[in-house]
Amino acid sequence: SYVLTQSPSVSVAPGKTARITCGGNNIGSKSVHWYQQKPGQAPVLVMYYDSDRPSGIPERFSGSNSGNTATLTISRVEAGDEADYHCQVWDSSSDHVVFGGGTKLTVL
Amino acid sequence: EVQLVESGGGLVKPGGSLRLSCAASGFTFSRYSIYWVRQAPGKGLEWVSSISSSSSFIYYADSLKGRFTISRDNAKNSLFLQMNSLRAEDTAVYYCAREVPGTATPFFDYWGQGTLVTVSS
Repeated sequence: SYVLTQSPSVSVAPGKTARITCGGNNIGSKSVHWYQQKPGQAPVLVMYYDSDRPSGIPERFSGSNSGNTATLTISRVEAGDEADYHCQVWDSSSDHVVFGGGTKLTVL
Repeated sequence: EVQLVESGGGLVKPGGSLRLSCAASGFTFSRYSIYWVRQAPGKGLEWVSSISSSSSFIYYADSLKGRFTISRDNAKNSLFLQMNSLRAEDTAVYYCAREVPGTATPFFDYWGQGTLVTVSS
């Protein structure tokens, strides 16, 4: 089955840029979606189709996907961005939804 | 306003059964595929099962090995998950999530707040 790998944690100072990666075999050939989850809350979609932002998501959030790595980039990080971020793809070979293990973003 | 509200979670002994429900409102439920996604304490999200709008297509995670059954009642705007032979590793918050319609690959625009299932003796 298809596996997505995320670093457990990323730390960044306020105002700096955070890059959260999601690794998978030839993930660049798949569409990657990203969710933000704050403690005790349900996930919220923050990026879809690699680099499209839902309405209401700040332009500071951007995404890219190439080769074996997809990246969610958060510019000018704010304290309110502190959360877990989960990547997700569709594995067409198995008709399964696959999530990465999640990355905890800490704003220093 | 789109709402998904899960219920039915609780404490159950290993080997026991539980039936989760997800009540939908604020949209035409019968037009959407709906998913169950779970999250064990301190862990990431894990897809459990999905059901298409008319129940024609149903999928399960391989790890469930036939213990769970997803179903829906479009007349009652409700989704269900029957969970049998529960194990400690099934302990998690269970979310229902709505698939964005008309997309090439599935992803989710609305999630419920989740219901906690604890399997313990």
